[in-house]
Amino acid sequence: DAGVIQSPRHEVTEMGQEVTLRCKPISGHNSLFWYRQTMMRGLELLIYFNNNVPIDDSGMPEDRFSAKMPNASFSTLKIQPSEPRDSAVYFCASSMGVTGELFFGEGSRLTVL
Amino acid sequence: AQSVAQPEDQVNVAEGNPLTVKCTYSVSGNPYLFWYVQYPNRGLQFLLKYITGDNLVKGSYGFEAEFNKSQTSFHLKKPSALVSDSALYFCAVRDTPTGRRALTFGSGTRLQVQP
Repeated sequence: DAGVIQSPRHEVTEMGQEVTLRCKPISGHNSLFWYRQTMMRGLELLIYFNNNVPIDDSGMPEDRFSAKMPNASFSTLKIQPSEPRDSAVYFCASSMGVTGELFFGEGSRLTVL
Repeated sequence: AQSVAQPEDQVNVAEGNPLTVKCTYSVSGNPYLFWYVQYPNRGLQFLLKYITGDNLVKGSYGFEAEFNKSQTSFHLKKPSALVSDSALYFCAVRDTPTGRRALTFGSGTRLQVQP
């Protein structure tokens, strides 16, 4: 299995630009998660989906952030407009079942200038 | 609300010595507990989990963890540390009664194994 695939691995953009991060979960997994990692705040859950339906988006910082999961094999996290404080590593993870562990992608490192 | 505490920012140990990375948790019901490792510029890798049953859980790369319900702890251990074990370690919890699939992570502990 190829694991969780994220793109891009690195993104440098200017403040105000739109950023789209992409994720392909492991085939057969029915839960997908977006986390953000920063030095100051550690690992924070942004949103998670179960069977393509958003279950908990309470971690999404504000309306500038949105996430979609149009089908079982693809999800996007969009930031519009981006701000320097959005600079972080964004991880996508997927899992199967209530007891299943999360499998993480390699992350997308976002730098907003 | 569920939470995890990793009281040590960094743990230093000599190669060949046993290592322990501490974790305590707080949940409303029975916990599902996990350990992950992160190497520089990489994603988190699953090491082991406790769901139910034997309190001593064995995982990848020779790591194990002991679930202690009375002390609400789930410490990660390894009998003999390797330099290659140097990395960032995260403890995580899932609170079962809520049915919530997401994990809550601790702040992480950096393990430094000296040759």
